This record gives sequence, C-alpha cells and structure tokens, in this order.
Amino acid sequence: EVQLLESGGGLVQPGGSLRLSCAASGFTFSNYAMSWVRQAPGKGLEWVSAITGSGGDTFHADSVKGRFTISRDNSRNTLYLQMNSLRAEDTAVYYCAKGSAMSRPYYFEYWGQGALVTVSS
Amino acid sequence: EIVLTQSPGTLSLSPGERATLSCRASQSVSNSYLAWYQQKPGQAPRLLIYGASSRATGIPDRFSGSGSGTDFTLTISRLEPEDFAVYYCQQYGTSRTFGQGTRLEIK
Repeated sequence: EVQLLESGGGLVQPGGSLRLSCAASGFTFSNYAMSWVRQAPGKGLEWVSAITGSGGDTFHADSVKGRFTISRDNSRNTLYLQMNSLRAEDTAVYYCAKGSAMSRPYYFEYWGQGALVTVSS
Repeated sequence: EIVLTQSPGTLSLSPGERATLSCRASQSVSNSYLAWYQQKPGQAPRLLIYGASSRATGIPDRFSGSGSGTDFTLTISRLEPEDFAVYYCQQYGTSRTFGQGTRLEIK
C-alpha cells in the first residue's frame, strides 16, 4: 500500500523559512517522480514543484521560483521542500504527490494527507 | 501556460441523476494528457481518470472521461451520495496546471 506522510508544517513569520518532508513507503521510491501541490484555504489546487525519480531534474512554478527548493533522498525514501522568504500568500496545505512515472509526462497517482503552512506575524 | 477552465462552477443534482462536468483548455493538451481528481472536504485529492479516459485503480465504472484537444468531459452516470465533492481537471502534457474546480452539490 502506497503511503505518503508529510511533516514539518507550522506557523512561520513572513520572510522566514520552513522545510517540509514527505516519507514514502509501499513503492520503489527512486522509480517515480514526485511533486508538491498546495491548496490555499478555500481555494483550488496549485502545482508547486516537481523532481524526477533520480533527482537529477527539478522544476518549480514561477510563483515560488528562487524561494523554494525541492529535493529527495532516495536512500531514505523521503521528499523535501525547502521554503525560504515565505510570504502570506504561501499559506496553504501542502500535499506530497507521487507521479505515475519516473519523469514527464505523469499524473498524480497518490497524495499524502497534507501539511498546513501558515505564514503570519 | 495552458489555462484550464471548468464549468459549471457549481452543479446541483440529486442522487441517481447524471452529472456532466466540462474542462476546456486554452490550447491543445498534447496526447490527451488530462486527469480528473475528486476532493472531499478535509481530504486529499483522489485520482479518478488519467489519459482523458482511463479509470484509475478502484474507481467505479459510473465515472467516465472523454474528450481530446481542448475539450474534455467527466461524466458520472448515476450519482451516489458519496460522489458529492469538488472535481478538478489537470493537464500534464505541458508542465502541470489545474482547473479551478467544479463543486457538485446535492440538490
């Protein structure tokens, strides 16, 4: 059974930093691309960042480029999202999502339950 | 960036009725790389359809997807009480973008 468990969310001040983690199990982690998708309160889904199975290629939405960094540790079956220079508009539930393939194109087969990030003073 | 526009914004139907949800793309979605997800309150999204018309594992056959190019449809043949939720389309042919969602509510 595929399981994705996010951690690291919380309250942070504007301009601060936070690192999210996603522990994966139930599949061969290195064989699949992974992504982060967020959802602001009461709003729709927004893709944030993606990384290929090997970790060799990363992609970020324009809204977070230069501030967020996606990475993975295939030896620990864990996905990360380093978030710097956080803004109020980054407040959202952040979902870890498993891609259907090692690299593009892929859809999101499985999703974690999400981690809430609140950016506020 | 490919913009996806879903309609209607809200759909009010009764259990047993047929639901038709639309997703229109601002430009052609390559190879019909379009997926549909269902999201219930307080839950993560769940994959329903990929490749425009292929059902994901464990998805009941009352859910079906169709379309190509710029126009796609999700059809729920006979609504069950558990189908009332928000539905999102997503294209994954050119980067990744989501539609704004259609809320399916009980009439």
